[in-house]
Formats: sequence, C-alpha cells, structure tokens
Amino acid sequence: QVQLVQSGGEVRSPGASVKVSCKASGYSFISYGINWVRQAPGQGLEWMGWISVYNDNTNIAQKFQGRVTMTADRSTNTVDMELGSLTSDDAAVYYCARGSHWPPINFDYWGQGTLVTVSS
Amino acid sequence: EVVLTQSPGTVSLSPGERATLSCRASQSVSSNYFGWYQQKPGQAPRLLIYGASSRATGIPDRFSGSGSGTDFSLTISRLEPEDFVMYYCQHYGGSITFGQGTRLEIK
Repeated sequence: QVQLVQSGGEVRSPGASVKVSCKASGYSFISYGINWVRQAPGQGLEWMGWISVYNDNTNIAQKFQGRVTMTADRSTNTVDMELGSLTSDDAAVYYCARGSHWPPINFDYWGQGTLVTVSS
Repeated sequence: EVVLTQSPGTVSLSPGERATLSCRASQSVSSNYFGWYQQKPGQAPRLLIYGASSRATGIPDRFSGSGSGTDFSLTISRLEPEDFVMYYCQHYGGSITFGQGTRLEIK
C-alpha cells in the first residue's frame, strides 16, 4: 500500500534551518511528484512547493523562494524539504503529499505530518 | 495569484441533512485543476474531489463536486456524524492555492 512516512518533530531556534524527510513506499516513486504543505496551529493549509522526483524540477511558492530547498533521492525513495532562516511564523505541522507528476495536483496520499517548533 | 474564498466559514447542520459548501475563485480557473479536501482533527487532509467533480478513490457517493469558472461547490447529500469536520478547496494555476476552509459543525 502507498505510504509516506515523515521524519519526527523538530525544535529549532530562530534563524536556524530545519530539514524534514518524507520516505515513500508502495508505488513507482518516479511516476509522481511530491508536494509540501504546512499548517500553522489553528490555521489553514499553505502550499510550499513541489518537486518532480523524475527530473528534480521544482516549483516553489513565491513566498518561500530563496528559503526552501527540495531534493529527491531516488535510491532511497526519499524527498527532503529544508527551510532556512526560521522565525516563529514557521512553527507549524509540515506535510508531504503525493501529487500528479505534472501539474502538481490531486494530492492523494499524505504523510503523517511533522511538527516544527521554533523557540529561543 | 488566484484567491479562493470559501463560504460560509462555519455551517451548522444535523446528521441526515444536505450540506452545500461553496468556493469562489478571484478569477476564472480551470476545472481540471480544482479539488476538495477533508481534514479531521489531528489528521492529514484527505482528497475528496479532483477535476472539480470526480470522486477520489474510496470516497462515498454522498460526496459530489460541481462548478466551473469562478464558482465551485461541494455537496454532501446525507450528512453522517464523521462528516462534521473541516473542508478545503484547492486550485492549481502556476502555484497551488487553498481556500481558508469551511467548518461543518453539528447543529
């Protein structure tokens, strides 16, 4: 069965970076893209960007350009998302979600979420 | 960037009733890239509807989507107790945007 398993919760200080991993299984890894969506406490969903696992192309939301890096490792079926220059506004649950190869739509499977806490 | 506005913010209904949730886009969008998600407390969202009107795998037929252009709707024909949660619309138009969500609560 399709599964996306994310790395565990993280605590970071303001100004630091955080890397969240998403390991996929149960499907052809290169046939789909992976999206990252975050949700601040009590708030709605915010899309951060997409990576094509097939060719490493990315589409990063304008708000996060220059601060987010997404990479895919086809040998381990893992996608990493690194967010830098953290502020308290980045405290949220971060989800990876499988989507169509292109365009990045139809998020049909999601990871369990990774809580990122930003605290001095 | 397309802005999606969901209404109402909260809707109060009883089990067995019919719910209609709305999502309006700030400009005309492609139905092919429009979807609805359900989110239960403490869980990841779940894809309900894609392409504005197609049910995702395993979604009960009491859920249906419709609309085009700027106005889209999610209808739940007969509310079950587990349906009283959050719903989000989503669109791709160069980037992905979500609506702010509609909370469906028990009256």
